[in-house]
Amino acid sequence: GQSLEQPSEVTAVEGAIVQINCTYQTSGFYGLSWYQQHDGGAPTFLSYNALDGLEETGRFSSFLSRSDSYGYLLLQELQMKDSASYFCAVRSNTGFQKLVFGTGTRLLVSP
Amino acid sequence: DTGVSQNPRHKITKRGQNVTFRCDPISEHNRLYWYRQTLGQGPEFLTYFQNEAQLEKSRLLSDRFSAERPKGSFSTLEIQRTEQGDSAMYLCASSLEDNEQFFGPGTRLTVL
Repeated sequence: GQSLEQPSEVTAVEGAIVQINCTYQTSGFYGLSWYQQHDGGAPTFLSYNALDGLEETGRFSSFLSRSDSYGYLLLQELQMKDSASYFCAVRSNTGFQKLVFGTGTRLLVSP
Repeated sequence: DTGVSQNPRHKITKRGQNVTFRCDPISEHNRLYWYRQTLGQGPEFLTYFQNEAQLEKSRLLSDRFSAERPKGSFSTLEIQRTEQGDSAMYLCASSLEDNEQFFGPGTRLTVL
């Protein structure tokens, strides 16, 4: 089967840096994605890692270590609008294109 | 707005009734997905279409659920004989490439 583990909640203040970790177990692995979801909103794509290393997109970066079955999302210069749920998701070779999502990490950014 | 659209946005129904939801993907996207999300959980995969072909279906999808994408454009998801456990947000997503799926706003189903 497939399973992903993330912390349930993280709190931080504006301007800080926060790291959200994700560990996964899957039979076959294509890549790790990150999605952001505000309350009442749709998930929106943030990043995708298929290979080991760090991918940077503006204030957000994502890291993957395939040997450790581990990845993280790094959010820098936190803003109030970053308060949302963040989901890691894996693509595996057990399905054509489906994403298997973790249970999500709720990020609360305070002033 | 050229994003993914879903209708209706909200549906309240009585147990035992049938419901149908519609998803209009981004026009050039050939891949379409349905997910279900309950409070405090991540989206859960239901089914996947490439063009009009339904290529994958979750084992969690009982025979009360059926999805179609007849012309490879919009898709419908029907739930027959709804149960209270079907109450959830039903999300549709579409994509052109492997890496990024674009989600619609969802249809929130409440079964009384």
